[in-house]
Amino acid sequence: EAQVTQNPRYLITVTGKKLTVTCSQNMNHEYMSWYRQDPGLGLRQIYYSMNVEVTDKGDVPEGYKVSRKEKRNFPLILESPSPNQTSLYFCASSPYGAGTSDYEQYFGPGTRLTVT
Amino acid sequence: AQSVTQPDIHITVSEGASLELRCNYSYGATPYLFWYVQSPGQGLQLLLKYFSGDTLVQGIKGFEAEFKRSQSSFNLRKPSVHWSDAAEYFCAVGAEGGATNKLIFGTGTLLAVQP
Repeated sequence: EAQVTQNPRYLITVTGKKLTVTCSQNMNHEYMSWYRQDPGLGLRQIYYSMNVEVTDKGDVPEGYKVSRKEKRNFPLILESPSPNQTSLYFCASSPYGAGTSDYEQYFGPGTRLTVT
Repeated sequence: AQSVTQPDIHITVSEGASLELRCNYSYGATPYLFWYVQSPGQGLQLLLKYFSGDTLVQGIKGFEAEFKRSQSSFNLRKPSVHWSDAAEYFCAVGAEGGATNKLIFGTGTLLAVQP
């Protein structure tokens, strides 16, 4: 089954304790993104990747890191989490960039992170 | 700057009634527009998308949306709502410059369905 998977689905942690949220897709997609969803703000892009070893900042990158060493994986790293990073996080992938008629993003199930 | 506005934060409709969720966008060129649905505890599922051509777009689950350039709108409609349609609905536009692969989302409309 074609899908985007994220782990863990739920995570409660403390301020300053490094964590990684994994994301994996089995569709051989070139593009991958991370979004965070906050009440009243919708989803906002954190980082994106156009291919292996190619990543760049989205709209809200502060406090996050990413890497793309393999095409299928795009982990999100919080080196020193803070309470303002408490949010619902979504990973997404797409075969093409925005602007093509086949463009569509496929979303993972989400990771709910709480930082105390 | 590109933006998407969903004016209704919360809507309640009766089962069997018709539904229209509003979406307005700000975009310089021909927009790529999407509607996603998020059921409680679930990820986002694409309902439909518009790139060009026919301005009335059909999607899954009986939903449709109409692109109106003159009004900068892309409203989502369904003629008869089912209890299982209760969810949060997001309108989004594909950002200019395909390299970012970014979707710009509205703030969402939470739909409640009364029996």
